[in-house]
Order: sequence, then C-alpha cells, then structure tokens
Amino acid sequence: EVQLVESGGGLVQSGGSLTLSCATSGFTFSSYWMHWVRQAPGKGLVWVTRIDGDGSGTVYADSVKGRFTISRDIATNTVYLQMNSLRADDTAVYYCARGYLDYWGQGTLVTVSS
Amino acid sequence: DIQMTQSPSSLSTSVGDRVTITCRASQGIRNDLGWYQQKPGKAPKRLIYAASSLQSGVPSRFSGSGSGTEFTLTISSLQPEDFATYFCLQYNSYPFTFGPGTKVDI
Repeated sequence: EVQLVESGGGLVQSGGSLTLSCATSGFTFSSYWMHWVRQAPGKGLVWVTRIDGDGSGTVYADSVKGRFTISRDIATNTVYLQMNSLRADDTAVYYCARGYLDYWGQGTLVTVSS
Repeated sequence: DIQMTQSPSSLSTSVGDRVTITCRASQGIRNDLGWYQQKPGKAPKRLIYAASSLQSGVPSRFSGSGSGTEFTLTISSLQPEDFATYFCLQYNSYPFTFGPGTKVDI
C-alpha cells in the first residue's frame, strides 16, 4: 500500500525557517518524482516544487524560488522541504505527492505569524 | 504559466442527478489533465488521469473527457458521498497549475 506521511509543520515567526518531511512506503521511491503542493486556509491548491527520482533535478514555483529547497534521501525514502525566509502568505497545509500527483499525504499545517 | 479555469464555481444538486464540470486551459495541454476530489480537512484524491482514464478503485459513475484546452468531468448519478470540491490539474508544463475548484452541494 502506497503511503506518504508528512510531518514538521507548526507555528513559526515571519522570517524564520522550517523543514518539512514526507516519509514514504509501499513503492519504489527512486522511480518517482516527488512534489510539494500547498493550500492556504479556505483556498485552492498551489503546486510548489518537484524533485526527480534520483534527486538530480528540481523545479520551483516562482513564489518560493530562492527560499525553499526540496531534497530527498533514497536511503530512508523521505522527501524534505526546507523553507527559509518564511512569510505570512506561506501559511498553508503542505502536501507531498508522488509522480503525476496520483497519491498524496494527509498534509501538515504551517502557520507563519507576522 | 498555463491558467486553468473551471465552471461552475459551485452547484447545488440532488442525489441521482447527472453533474458536469468543465475545465479550460489557457493553452493546449494535450490530455495532460487530472481531476481530483477533496473533502473538508482531507487530502485531494485523484479520480481521473490523462483526461479520461479512471483511477483504480474510483467508481465508474465518474468519467472524464476532452483534449487540448477543454475538459469535462461527469458524475453520472450523484451519490451522497460525492459532496466535495473538485479540482482539475494540468501537468503538461511547469509550473503545474490547478483549477480554482467546483464545490458540489448535495
């Protein structure tokens, strides 16, 4: 069974940093792109970033470029999202998703206080 | 960036009704489109991929069609558990972009 479990969310002050984790199981981790998608409270879904199966390539939304870094650890089947210089408009539930976004985790809430 | 629009933004329906939701892309995306269902407080669940392929385990009352710039999601006979918000997603080019959603009230 494919499982993705996010963790690491919480309350952080504006300008601060936070690292999210997405632990995966049930599939061949290195064979799939992995993504982060976010959803501000009461709003729609916004794609944030993607990393290649072997970690060699990444793509970012303009809104997070230079502030967020996606990485993956093939040994532990985990994807990370390092978030720096956080702003109030980064407040959202952050989801990790696999491949062409076929499976998603349950999400973790990040709240940035100004 | 490719912009995705959806219509209607919301609709009130009844159990057993046929429901059609439309998604339009600002430029051609071949059939690189998925449809998702999201219930309050839950993660999105993929229903359709490649515009018209049914995700494994999804009831056959859900179907998708279209190619290029116009796509539809159809629910042939609405069930009480279908109360949710529905989003489309284009994955033809980065950044991937979602439609703004259609809220279906039973």
